[in-house]
Amino acid sequence: QKEVEQNSGPLSVPEGAIASLNCTYSDRGSQSFFWYRQYSGKSPELIMFIYSNGDKEDGRFTAQLNKASQYVSLLIRDSQPSDSATYLCAVTNTNAGKSTFGDGTTLTVKP
Amino acid sequence: GAGVSQSPSNKVTEKGKDVELRCDPISGHTALYWYRQRLGQGLEFLIYFQGNSAPDKSGLPSDRFSAERTGESVSTLTIQRTQQEDSAVYLCASSLATSGGTDTQYFGPGTRLTVL
Repeated sequence: QKEVEQNSGPLSVPEGAIASLNCTYSDRGSQSFFWYRQYSGKSPELIMFIYSNGDKEDGRFTAQLNKASQYVSLLIRDSQPSDSATYLCAVTNTNAGKSTFGDGTTLTVKP
Repeated sequence: GAGVSQSPSNKVTEKGKDVELRCDPISGHTALYWYRQRLGQGLEFLIYFQGNSAPDKSGLPSDRFSAERTGESVSTLTIQRTQQEDSAVYLCASSLATSGGTDTQYFGPGTRLTVL
C-alpha cells in the first residue's frame, strides 16, 4: 500500500463543471497537506495547502481535510480547459521532515 | 526574486558514466529536497536536507546515488556508473522549513537525464 494514494485517472469533466480530486494517506502523524498542479513537461506548482480539518477556499479551489478518515480532497469549481493538468497530493510529517507525494491524478477539462 | 534553479537542464550520458546535477535553492530556504520523476509517473522522494545535514536519505535508490549540500545553499546530486533506468527528470525543491506545518516547497525546472 502506498503512503499517499490518488486515483490516477484520467478524470474528464466538461468546461464549467466541478472537478473532484481525492487523496488518502496512511501516516497519522501527517500535519500538513498540499495540492500541486503539474502541466505536462513542467515542474509542480503549489495550488493550496491545508492543515486543519474542514474546508479551505481560494477562488475556484476548495481543499477539504478529514484527519480522522485520513482523506484530503480538492474541488475545482467552474473548471476551465486551462485547469487540464496532473494534480499531485503531498502529505508532510514535519516531525519526520518528510514529504510524500501521490502519483497524481490527470484532469482533462473539455471545452 | 529568483526561484530555484537547476543545471544542466538536459543531460545525455552514456551508460556507466558519472553525472552531477546541481540545485540552487531560493535564498534563505533551509530545507532542500531531491525527487526523481520518471515519464508519466509521480514524484519519487530521494533525499532531504535540513541545512547541510541530511536526516532522511531513505529514498536514495542505491549506493550509486549520493548528495551533498554546502553552505546551506547549493546542493549536488551525483549518480555514479549511470544505468538506463536512471533516465528521468530530477527535480529539486526548497522550502523555509517553518514550524506549524505550512511548509510549501518551491520546485526548480528540473534536469532531464537520459542514459543511453
